[in-house]
Amino acid sequence: AQSVTQPDIHITVSEGASLELRCNYSYGATPYLFWYVQSPGQGLQLLLKYFSGDTLVQGIKGFEAEFKRSQSSFNLRKPSVHWSDAAEYFCAVGQPLNTGTASKLTFGTGTRLQVTL
Amino acid sequence: NAGVTQTPKFRVLKTGQSMTLLCAQDMNHEYMYWYRQDPGMGLRLIHYSVGEGTTAKGEVPDGYNVSRLKKQNFLLGLESAAPSQTSVYFCASSYGGGPPTDTQYFGPGTRLTVL
Repeated sequence: AQSVTQPDIHITVSEGASLELRCNYSYGATPYLFWYVQSPGQGLQLLLKYFSGDTLVQGIKGFEAEFKRSQSSFNLRKPSVHWSDAAEYFCAVGQPLNTGTASKLTFGTGTRLQVTL
Repeated sequence: NAGVTQTPKFRVLKTGQSMTLLCAQDMNHEYMYWYRQDPGMGLRLIHYSVGEGTTAKGEVPDGYNVSRLKKQNFLLGLESAAPSQTSVYFCASSYGGGPPTDTQYFGPGTRLTVL
């Protein structure tokens, strides 16, 4: 069965420092990978996605992620963190459902990012 | 363009009460989904729909029912609420058709507490 692991429950970084959030997945076929961000009391916003092609994916808000098939990883990075980036980040893998072409997202348990000034 | 909206935002129920959560999307998406989010467990799929008039079970469907009478709306019902259904409920929608178009867009969530 597919699964997503985010090994870091909580990460604290200083504003202006670089950030890397880890994500490992387990999926037998070609993975479709996503990163979402959830600000306190808000819904999930899509940061970026990987379906195929270039393994370095650019997203919104200056985030990028790199797909490494050999390591089953899809780590999220940002060169310089801003205080407004404090939120919870979820990695997810999409897989087809039985009916038609709908897909289900399997989420990791999330990493909470705290930014210190 | 409001995207995906959910009502209500918050609700407190007593055990055994019933309620319906409404999800609406104005993006003309074919597919809609209901997830629940619990601490330390990420999001889990409850039910989904691939078009008007169709519904299907996800990972954790027990205790919930859904209906998709109109393309833009997806309702989640709890017939007899239980404390185990205390959670944050998210609705999502997508164009469908498989990747790369099947990106799910989420609503703001409904926080439900069952006493």
